Amino acid sequence: GDSVTQMEGPVTLSEEAFLTINCTYTATGYPSLFWYVQYPGEGLQLLLKATKADDKGSNKGFEATYRKETTSFHLEKGSVQVSDSAVYFCALRKRDDKIIFGKGTRLHILP
Amino acid sequence: ETGVTQSPTHLIKTRGQQVTLRCSSQSGHNTVSWYQQALGQGPQFIFQYYREEENGRGNFPPRFSGLQFPNYSSELNVNALELDDSALYLCASSFAWPSGRYEQYFGPGTRLTVT
Repeated sequence: GDSVTQMEGPVTLSEEAFLTINCTYTATGYPSLFWYVQYPGEGLQLLLKATKADDKGSNKGFEATYRKETTSFHLEKGSVQVSDSAVYFCALRKRDDKIIFGKGTRLHILP
Repeated sequence: ETGVTQSPTHLIKTRGQQVTLRCSSQSGHNTVSWYQQALGQGPQFIFQYYREEENGRGNFPPRFSGLQFPNYSSELNVNALELDDSALYLCASSFAWPSGRYEQYFGPGTRLTVT
């Protein structure tokens, strides 16, 4: 069945470091891919998305490129801030509108 | 424009009891999806309601049931609660039509603890 695998955390970085969180997926067809962020005690917020191969989603300095050949959608940011500390979920959605999430990666940014 | 709201925020129930969680969809949205997020895990799809009818269900037993009302708000009911039902329950609303759909927007969730 369809699934999403993302790197396990926690990931701890110093402020202004470069961030990469790896995400790969297994799915038939052509899913849309997403990154969601969850701050402590809150629900999920859509961070960025890509709907077809080679699309790049971007928001708030975060980027991810839909790579169909490697079935990947890695999240990157050039210079992280303390306020980026949160849990990040990679996800896919197919035509049935059901979203399948990875297990999440907790990110800690040290000042 | 009001976002997705859920009530209650927190809830504590005893094993075997029944619980009802509520979700008010964002203005203009006609579809509500429910997800269960166990501690340390990603959300798992429970089911979706589109124009008051169930429109897809995940791998959850029949004791998880739902409703959608004419104003597109929704309820999630869980009967015969088990300890493993302890989780954050997330509701997401969106606008859909027969051939497509827009993004799902998530509410803050209801934290259910079963003792």
